Amino acid sequence: EAGVAQSPRYKIIEKRQSVAFWCNPISGHATLYWYQQILGQGPKLLIQFQNNGVVDDSQLPKDRFSAERLKGVDSTLKIQPAKLEDSAVYLCASSFSVRDEQFFGPGTRLTVL
Amino acid sequence: QKEVEQNSGPLSVPEGAIASLNCTYSDRGSQSFFWYRQYSGKSPELIMSIYSNGDKEDGRFTAQLNKASQYVSLLIRDSQPSDSATYLCAVISPGKSTFGDGTTLTVKP
Repeated sequence: EAGVAQSPRYKIIEKRQSVAFWCNPISGHATLYWYQQILGQGPKLLIQFQNNGVVDDSQLPKDRFSAERLKGVDSTLKIQPAKLEDSAVYLCASSFSVRDEQFFGPGTRLTVL
Repeated sequence: QKEVEQNSGPLSVPEGAIASLNCTYSDRGSQSFFWYRQYSGKSPELIMSIYSNGDKEDGRFTAQLNKASQYVSLLIRDSQPSDSATYLCAVISPGKSTFGDGTTLTVKP
């Protein structure tokens, strides 16, 4: 069974530029999560989708971050414009349902200069 | 107060010893509890899941859950140097997924 796929793996941008990350969850997983992980901290949930509906986006900085889940499968997370403090690893995870184990993709390491 | 709190560590144990990792949470409506292992530069990897009070064993790992005390723990028996990593506690409540900041474990040969 294929795992969670993410791209790109690494991205370096200047502040005020925009960037987009892509995630393809495990087949059949209805729930998809985007996390931000800053060095030395645990993953912080940005947004949670159940199929193509948003369950929780309370910690998503909506003035600069946006996310969508097309047709309840793939998802994209966008940052526009990026700030220095957005430098982090962005992790995508999926689970069969909201109560089940989450499986993580390899992450995207973003550096904002 | 953080919603999910873990011992800040670092925790160091000799090879072959038992490592004990602790986690407390604030939301009494929490339903699912997970332990993840994260090696430096890698993404979290699921080790254990527990949903009801009591102990759950899987090989060298035992998860313990006490919902009344809002406490979940992970015991690693016969610790190996390859167990050296950061261990993350994750707590799922309706519509919410929260991770602790992790405890870094070092197992010394």
